[in-house]
Amino acid sequence: QLQLQESGPGLVKSSETLSLTCTVSGGSISSSNYYWGWIRQPPGKGLEWIGSIYYSGSTYYNPSLKSRVTISVDTSKNQFSLKLSSVTAADTALYFCARCWQGGGDCDYFDYWGQGTLVTVSS
Amino acid sequence: DIQMTQSPSTLSASVGDRVTITCRASQSISSWLAWYQQKPGKAPKLLIYKASSLESGVPSRFSGSGSGTEFTLTISSLQPDDFATYYCQRYNNYLITFGQGTRLEIK
Repeated sequence: QLQLQESGPGLVKSSETLSLTCTVSGGSISSSNYYWGWIRQPPGKGLEWIGSIYYSGSTYYNPSLKSRVTISVDTSKNQFSLKLSSVTAADTALYFCARCWQGGGDCDYFDYWGQGTLVTVSS
Repeated sequence: DIQMTQSPSTLSASVGDRVTITCRASQSISSWLAWYQQKPGKAPKLLIYKASSLESGVPSRFSGSGSGTEFTLTISSLQPDDFATYYCQRYNNYLITFGQGTRLEIK
């Protein structure tokens, strides 16, 4: 059974960089059928896609966050990571990693999700 | 950018009811739409993909329809476990956008 687990600091200071890692177990991150993505959810609000990465390293990002986001992959560790720079209180959210079915060349829908990790940005 | 608008924002219903949630896209997205169910503090669960394809293991009381700009998620007979928040998600042209969510609550 595929499992995804987010890890990283739960508290980040304003203006610093948020860094999270997603470890995939029970399957290979190098599968050609899937992208891997990050999605976040501020407390009490809806879901926001952050970006997605293919095992080859190909990425694409939400235009509203693109200037601050970097997603990378480490196939040797079966992990992918998120860095979000210059964080503010508006970046406080539950951050999910997820597997994304690769349809016509890009990330389609998310079929497996991690449990999520809460990141709070403090001033 | 293509906007996704769900309606209603909140829906009150009873066990056994048939309910429909609507998701509208500001431009045509063909059938590139998924639906998710989310319970408090939990990750979303995929229900429907490609507008009408039922994800494996999802009960058949859930169904999706639509194409272009208007889509619906229907639950044919509400069960106690179905009270949750539902999100649509469009995917095309290397962009992903979620609707704002519909909270389904017990009447």
